[in-house]
Amino acid sequence: DAGVIQSPRHEVTEMGQEVTLRCKPISGHDYLFWYRQTMMRGLELLIYFNNNVPIDDSGMPEDRFSAKMPNASFSTLKIQPSEPRDSAVYFCASSFRGEGPYEQYFGPGTRLTVT
Amino acid sequence: RKEVEQDPGPFNVPEGATVAFNCTYSNSASQSFFWYRQDCRKEPKLLMSVYSSGNEDGRFTAQLNRASQYISLLIRDSKLSDSATYLCVVTLTDQTGANNLFFGTGTRLTVIP
Repeated sequence: DAGVIQSPRHEVTEMGQEVTLRCKPISGHDYLFWYRQTMMRGLELLIYFNNNVPIDDSGMPEDRFSAKMPNASFSTLKIQPSEPRDSAVYFCASSFRGEGPYEQYFGPGTRLTVT
Repeated sequence: RKEVEQDPGPFNVPEGATVAFNCTYSNSASQSFFWYRQDCRKEPKLLMSVYSSGNEDGRFTAQLNRASQYISLLIRDSKLSDSATYLCVVTLTDQTGANNLFFGTGTRLTVIP
């Protein structure tokens, strides 16, 4: 398996622009997670899906952030409008509940810079 | 209060040294415990699980103390390739059965030749 795939790997955009991050989880995994990592706050869970259904979005910072999972093999995280404080590395991870110890497999991340 | 607290370091140790990282967690209902490793500009990857009885994987030993809500990672005979950030992780299971992972901010280790 190719592992979790994320695109783009790097994104530089201007404040106010819309940003869309993409993720393809590992085939067969039924959980998908979006995380944000910064030096100050470390890794923070934003939202996760189970069987394509959003379960917990309490980590989404504000209404400018939205996430979708239209099918088992694709998810997006959208920021509209983007702000400089959104600059971070965004990771997508997937896991399979039936597999102990429920290891999460991370994608390579998208490094977002908002100027 | 954060779910997981770690000393951020950095820890700079010579090759061959033994180094230990500690981590505390706040929720006594936490169920599973892990150490993840994250190389510079890379994604986190599972290093090892942590069991109450303690577990060893080569040069790495992990310990859990539920009474004190404390987790440790010991690395013996440090190698240059051990240089990375080590993330302490605890999980809580929600109603769907998903294990929500709570990450510490990580402890940075640099092994010096």
